[in-house]
Amino acid sequence: QITLQESGPTLVKPTQTLTLTCTVSGFSVSTREVGVHWIRQSPGKALEWLAVIYWNEDKRYSPSLKTRLTITKDTFKNQVVLTMTNVDRVDTATYFCAHSDGVPETMAVWGRGTTITVSS
Amino acid sequence: SYELTQPVSVSVSPGQTASITCSGDKLGDKYVCWFQQKPGQSPVLVMYEDDKRPSGIPERFSGSNSGNTATLTITETQAADEADYYCQAWDSSVVFGGGTKLTVL
Repeated sequence: QITLQESGPTLVKPTQTLTLTCTVSGFSVSTREVGVHWIRQSPGKALEWLAVIYWNEDKRYSPSLKTRLTITKDTFKNQVVLTMTNVDRVDTATYFCAHSDGVPETMAVWGRGTTITVSS
Repeated sequence: SYELTQPVSVSVSPGQTASITCSGDKLGDKYVCWFQQKPGQSPVLVMYEDDKRPSGIPERFSGSNSGNTATLTITETQAADEADYYCQAWDSSVVFGGGTKLTVL
C-alpha cells in the first residue's frame, strides 16, 4: 500500500526558508518512472502545483515559483524534500505531496497534507 | 502560461446528471485528470487519461475530452458526490483548473 506523509514546521516567519519533507512507504523514490509531486492549497483557494522529482533525479518546477523552490530526494530515507526560500504570508497553505508513476503520469495517491502558516 | 478554466459552481438535484467542464487551448490534445476534494480532505483521483476510472470509483463517473473542453459527468448524482472538483493537465508543467463546487440540492 502506497502512503505519503508530509511534515514541516507549522509556523514560519516571513523571509525565512521553509523546508517540507514527504516520507513515503509502499514504494521507493528510485523506482523506475516514479515521481513525487508537491502541491499546495491556500485557504479557500484552488490547488497549485509546485514541483516534481522523478526516480532518475529529473526535476520540474512551477514557472511562477521556480526561483524559490528546490526539490530533492533521499533514497535511503525514502523521502522527498521541498525547500521554499523567502516565504511570505501568501505562502500560507496546506502542502500536499503525491505519488505518480508511468507515462502519462497520474497523481494517484496523495498524502493528508501539512498546514503551514507564515506569520511574524 | 497554460490555463484551465472551470465553472465556479454547478448545482444538481439528487438522481440527476451533473456535468463539469474544463476548458483550455487544444485541451483535447492532452490527457486530463479529475480530482474530487471534500472539505478538510486530500484530493482523490476520480478520472485519469480523460476517461479512465481508478478502482473504487463508481461507474456513475465518466469523462471525455475533445477540442478545447474536457467534461466530467456524474450520473445519478448522490449527496455524497457534493465536493470540489479539479481538472488537471500537463503543459510544460502540471496545471490545475480553478475548481468547481458541486452542490447537490
